[in-house]
Amino acid sequence: DVKVTQSSRYLVKRTGEKVFLECVQDMDHENMFWYRQDPGLGLRLIYFSYDVKMKEKGDIPEGYSVSREKKERFSLILESASTNQTSMYLCASSLWRTVSFSGNTIYFGEGSWLTVV
Amino acid sequence: QKEVEQNSGPLSVPEGAIASLNCTYSDRVSQSFFWYRQYSGKSPELIMSIYSNGDKEDGRFTAQLNKASQYVSLLIRDSQPSDSATYLCAVLTGNMLTFGGGTRLMVKP
Repeated sequence: DVKVTQSSRYLVKRTGEKVFLECVQDMDHENMFWYRQDPGLGLRLIYFSYDVKMKEKGDIPEGYSVSREKKERFSLILESASTNQTSMYLCASSLWRTVSFSGNTIYFGEGSWLTVV
Repeated sequence: QKEVEQNSGPLSVPEGAIASLNCTYSDRVSQSFFWYRQYSGKSPELIMSIYSNGDKEDGRFTAQLNKASQYVSLLIRDSQPSDSATYLCAVLTGNMLTFGGGTRLMVKP
């Protein structure tokens, strides 16, 4: 089974703090993603990475950065946390190599609930 | 901006009935389509994927795709209370996976 592990499940941080959310996958997947999920807004892509040290902005990258120094690890960084970043954050990974690969799917971690006060 | 639209619900069906969940998407070049189930407080889990026009069946679940109409649906036969969850439609375009807002399904005993 694919395992995507988010090390921090529940965090409470103060406004202005720097926050690190860590994600590790054990299936040698090339692509990794960070989403946030908010009621009424669904899942929104923050950043994704298709290779080590590579990153691409998603739909809502403002206020976030990412780091991928090793293939299995993808970190989301909130440089200066704000209350509007209170959300559930989901890490995911996938094996996609080509758009026609029939085994394409995306696997999610269990989520990190972040509250910024 | 690629869009994936779902009725937020809740969709309420009695136990044993067929639940029909619908999704439309805006980008004609989208090529893969997925249905995820998400229980409250949990992360999404993949239940069906479909890549070509027509129907794909897996147990009580049937996914239907119509690329000309840019429409994908999920049918759940013999609905059970344990099927009560939010169902997310996801559309793959290139290497970008875009999710709909989800439909909340309630199956009443």
